[in-house]
Amino acid sequence: KAGVTQTPRYLIKTRGQQVTLSCSPISGHRSVSWYQQTPGQGLQFLFEYFSETQRNKGNFPGRFSGRQFSNSRSEMNVSTLELGDSALYLCASSIGGGRQVYEQYFGPGTRLTVT
Amino acid sequence: AQSVTQLDSQVPVFEEAPVELRCNYSSSVSVYLFWYVQYPNQGLQLLLKYLSGSTLVKGINGFEAEFNKSQTSFHLRKPSVHISDTAEYFCAVSLPPGNTPLVFGKGTRLSVIA
Repeated sequence: KAGVTQTPRYLIKTRGQQVTLSCSPISGHRSVSWYQQTPGQGLQFLFEYFSETQRNKGNFPGRFSGRQFSNSRSEMNVSTLELGDSALYLCASSIGGGRQVYEQYFGPGTRLTVT
Repeated sequence: AQSVTQLDSQVPVFEEAPVELRCNYSSSVSVYLFWYVQYPNQGLQLLLKYLSGSTLVKGINGFEAEFNKSQTSFHLRKPSVHISDTAEYFCAVSLPPGNTPLVFGKGTRLSVIA
């Protein structure tokens, strides 16, 4: 099975611009989570989508948004970029559903640099 | 809210020596516990997890961890490390019933010295 794919792998944007990151989960996985990783704050949860619905949301401003499509692919969008948004954005997929704990499989991440 | 503290930000160790990476958590309810590894320019890979049952959990690559409820700890150990174990290690918790977000510690950078 192919792993979690994230595109693009690297991105450079200017303050004030917006950006869209894409995540393709493992085939058959219906849950996609997004995390932001920075040297100062570490790994922080952004949001999780399951069957096209946002199921969980972290403590990030409204500039951060996401969505999930019927094929489980997910995108996250950051509007009005700030320098502090520079980070590695990680996507993780899992089978999801039910009350079981399913392993989350992480993609390689998208490195976003805001100048 | 739950939180995770990884007590050491960096741990240097000689090849073939044992290593312990420490993790303490704070939660008012029972939690699930995980250890992930991140190699350079890669995503995270699950090493092992504790959900319930035996407090000693064995994972991949020869790692194991012990859940200690009274000390709210979940330390990761390996009896003999290799150069290839050089990476960042993250301890994480989540709440039952499952599919809840992972809360990560700040990570421990393990450097194995030849």
